[in-house]
Amino acid sequence: DAGVIQSPRHEVTEMGQEVTLRCKPISGHNSLFWYRQTMMRGLELLIYFNNNVPIDDSGMPEDRFSAKMPNASFSTLKIQPSEPRDSAVYFCASSQGNQPQHFGDGTRLSIL
Amino acid sequence: AQSVTQPDIHITVSEGASLELRCNYSYGATPYLFWYVQSPGQGLQLLLKYFSGDTLVQGIKGFEAEFKRSQSSFNLRKPSVHWSDAAEYFCAVGAAGGGADGLTFGKGTHLIIQP
Repeated sequence: DAGVIQSPRHEVTEMGQEVTLRCKPISGHNSLFWYRQTMMRGLELLIYFNNNVPIDDSGMPEDRFSAKMPNASFSTLKIQPSEPRDSAVYFCASSQGNQPQHFGDGTRLSIL
Repeated sequence: AQSVTQPDIHITVSEGASLELRCNYSYGATPYLFWYVQSPGQGLQLLLKYFSGDTLVQGIKGFEAEFKRSQSSFNLRKPSVHWSDAAEYFCAVGAAGGGADGLTFGKGTHLIIQP
């Protein structure tokens, strides 16, 4: 079975540019999560959706960050404008009911 | 607010020796607890979970963990480590929704295996 699919795997862009990260959850999963991993702060929850509805976005660091889930099989995390301190690995995860979350391989983002 | 503490940033163990990785959590109710493993450049893979019932849980790759409510701990153990166990290990706590709520992770423990 296909796991959580994230794209791109790597993204390098210049400060001020818009960045869009994509996630396809496991089919049938009804919860989707975005996490950010940095050396300083570890793994942090940014936002999560249940049945395509955002439930908790308190972890989104600034208004420059936005996330959408237009349907059950796709989600985006957008940063506009990007800044060097946004450099991190961004993970998407999905789950069904109260079962554990399955993680994608992440997007390594570098903002120059 | 919930929190997770993994007191050991790095641990070095000889191949074939036993392993214990420590995890302490802070949560107001009965927590849902998880251990994940991350290899370089990879996502997180679930090793095991505790939701309720038997406080000693078995996971994949020969790992086990014991939930001790009195100590607010959920330590991970393996009787004999293999070189392939070298990775980053994360303990996480979730709220009543289990996997349906966002997880709070510890900072991780980097496991080094000596030949």
